[in-house]
Amino acid sequence: DVKVTQSSRYLVKRTGEKVFLECVQDMDHENMFWYRQDPGLGLRLIYFSYDVKMKEKGDIPEGYSVSREKKERFSLILESASTNQTSMYLCASDRTAYSNQPQHFGDGTRLSIL
Amino acid sequence: AQKITQTQPGMFVQEKEAVTLDCTYDTSDPSYGLFWYKQPSSGEMIFLIYQGSYDQQNATEGRYSLNFQKARKSANLVISASQLGDSAMYFCAMREGRTGANSKLTFGKGITLSVRP
Repeated sequence: DVKVTQSSRYLVKRTGEKVFLECVQDMDHENMFWYRQDPGLGLRLIYFSYDVKMKEKGDIPEGYSVSREKKERFSLILESASTNQTSMYLCASDRTAYSNQPQHFGDGTRLSIL
Repeated sequence: AQKITQTQPGMFVQEKEAVTLDCTYDTSDPSYGLFWYKQPSSGEMIFLIYQGSYDQQNATEGRYSLNFQKARKSANLVISASQLGDSAMYFCAMREGRTGANSKLTFGKGITLSVRP
């Protein structure tokens, strides 16, 4: 089974802090994604990566950056955390070759910025 | 315009009955795929079922089936014989394009399903 592991289930940080959310997948997937989920808004794509050191902006990249130094690891960085970044963050991965393959998700990180 | 529309804010169903969760989509690409995910209160996203735009038959996976009406651009999820464990949020998502190279999924806002004993 595909395993996508997010480093924390719950995280509390302070305004202005630099925050790192880590995600690791064990199935050699080319593509990795970061979403945020807010009530009534569904999942919104922040950034995605289709290869090591490659990244593309999603729908809401402002205030975030990402890093993919190794194929299995994709990090989301909040450069200077703000209270409006309090949310549920979900990491996902999938394989490039087949359009019928689902994205596989981690368990999510509930991030609170105080 | 929204690409995926899920307008039912909350649904209730009696245990052991069937329920339909609605999803309409908007795309001009002839090649696309539709996915349904379940998210229990614990937060993980569980893949349920997939329907490709060229598939001749409606997809089925156990108690889950898709009522795919291509001309109406709808892909409704049908859950038969509801169980208490089906209480969750359900998301419809679409991927456009023939290959996974354009691999982004667009999600709807989700529907909350509550199963009553």
